[in-house]
Amino acid sequence: EAQVTQNPRYLITVTGKKLTVTCSQNMNHEYMSWYRQDPGLGLRQIYYSMNVEVTDKGDVPEGYKVSRKEKRNFPLILESPSPNQTSLYFCASSLSGTGGYEQYFGPGTRLTVT
Amino acid sequence: AQTVTQSQPEMSVQEAETVTLSCTYDTSESDYYLFWYKQPPSRQMILVIRQEAYKQQNATENRFSVNFQKAAKSFSLKISDSQLGDAAMYFCAYRSLYMNYGGSQGNLIFGKGTKLSVKP
Repeated sequence: EAQVTQNPRYLITVTGKKLTVTCSQNMNHEYMSWYRQDPGLGLRQIYYSMNVEVTDKGDVPEGYKVSRKEKRNFPLILESPSPNQTSLYFCASSLSGTGGYEQYFGPGTRLTVT
Repeated sequence: AQTVTQSQPEMSVQEAETVTLSCTYDTSESDYYLFWYKQPPSRQMILVIRQEAYKQQNATENRFSVNFQKAAKSFSLKISDSQLGDAAMYFCAYRSLYMNYGGSQGNLIFGKGTKLSVKP
């Protein structure tokens, strides 16, 4: 089954404790992206990757890091989480970063930073 | 920079009736894509319908159709014969064909969403 998977689905952590949210897709997509969803704000892009070893900032990159060492994986790293990073996070992938290809979303990761 | 506005935070419809969700956007580009995504309580983001800006014909997917008015920069979603399973948050989204202003590539720019309730 074609899908985007994220782990963990739920995470409660404390300020300053490094964490990684994994994202994997099995569709051989070139383009992958991370979004965060906050009430009343919709979804906003954090980082994206056009292909392996090619990553760049989205609209709200502060406090986040990413890497793309393999085509299928695109982990999101919070080196020193803060309470304002409490949010619902989505990983998404599409065939390409150009054109109108559908972006497939993962199931979301609910992160709480206390 | 492109923006997407959904002016209706909440909407309600009777089962089997028709409802229209509004979306307007701002862009200086001539080629782009527009999407409607559905987010049910499970939080999964599901693509409902997609429209290419260069196509004048409005997209349709079963009970879902859009009214795309390029000159007015309007992209509304019509749901016919509403069902209980249509209850969800609906997001309108814009995607540039090329590099977005500020350098973000492939970014979906979302509106703030409309919460749709369906009454039995």
